[in-house]
Amino acid sequence: GAGVSQSPSNKVTEKGKDVELRCDPISGHTALYWYRQSLGQGLEFLIYFQGNSAPDKSGLPSDRFSAERTGGSVSTLTIQRTQQEDSAVYLCASSWGRTNEKLFFGSGTQLSVL
Amino acid sequence: KNEVEQSPQNLTAQEGEFITINCSYSVGISALHWLQQHPGGGIVSLFMLSSGKKKHGRLIATINIQEKHSSLHITASHPRDSAVYICAVRLDYGGSQGNLIFGKGTKLSVKP
Repeated sequence: GAGVSQSPSNKVTEKGKDVELRCDPISGHTALYWYRQSLGQGLEFLIYFQGNSAPDKSGLPSDRFSAERTGGSVSTLTIQRTQQEDSAVYLCASSWGRTNEKLFFGSGTQLSVL
Repeated sequence: KNEVEQSPQNLTAQEGEFITINCSYSVGISALHWLQQHPGGGIVSLFMLSSGKKKHGRLIATINIQEKHSSLHITASHPRDSAVYICAVRLDYGGSQGNLIFGKGTKLSVKP
């Protein structure tokens, strides 16, 4: 596609429910990144995929968070048993996978946990 | 103390003014990114620097590795430059390319 696509753009869920957030990177991009931006907070790193290498999961805040990337393209971020503190904008980015290059961001998913 | 500090937090300028946004970091880095986030939330990557200076249109980014400091300059500012500008660094030890540490951003408002 022309850009990084994320869905849904907005998600409202009840505390304790599981949610799945989807990211479609730019075609041909081998690197995929997930970040989140909480209200009043800066961006924080969650997870990074590069080609077939093991992902860097060091930013995931708890074991309720997981992500996968199927076929080296689409990625899904799953949050189990959501908590109110999970409310944030979840941003996906992709890039060609070269060292220290610019990132291309999606529009994000606004997650609200009630 | 945050590892990435930006100043100022908020900046109001008149159209046409020369603007400087600063980013200081306390760790060794291999790369520094400048990002722009518009009021609608979309983020655009402006520059990636590992040394020296880069220019794109009215935007100039510089980095001084020894002083652990980077600046983003906007010449002939325009109301459409109004956005939050975010500095992010990649550590030079451990961590992956995606593991960036972000500053809290500088909110710029350019008045006509």
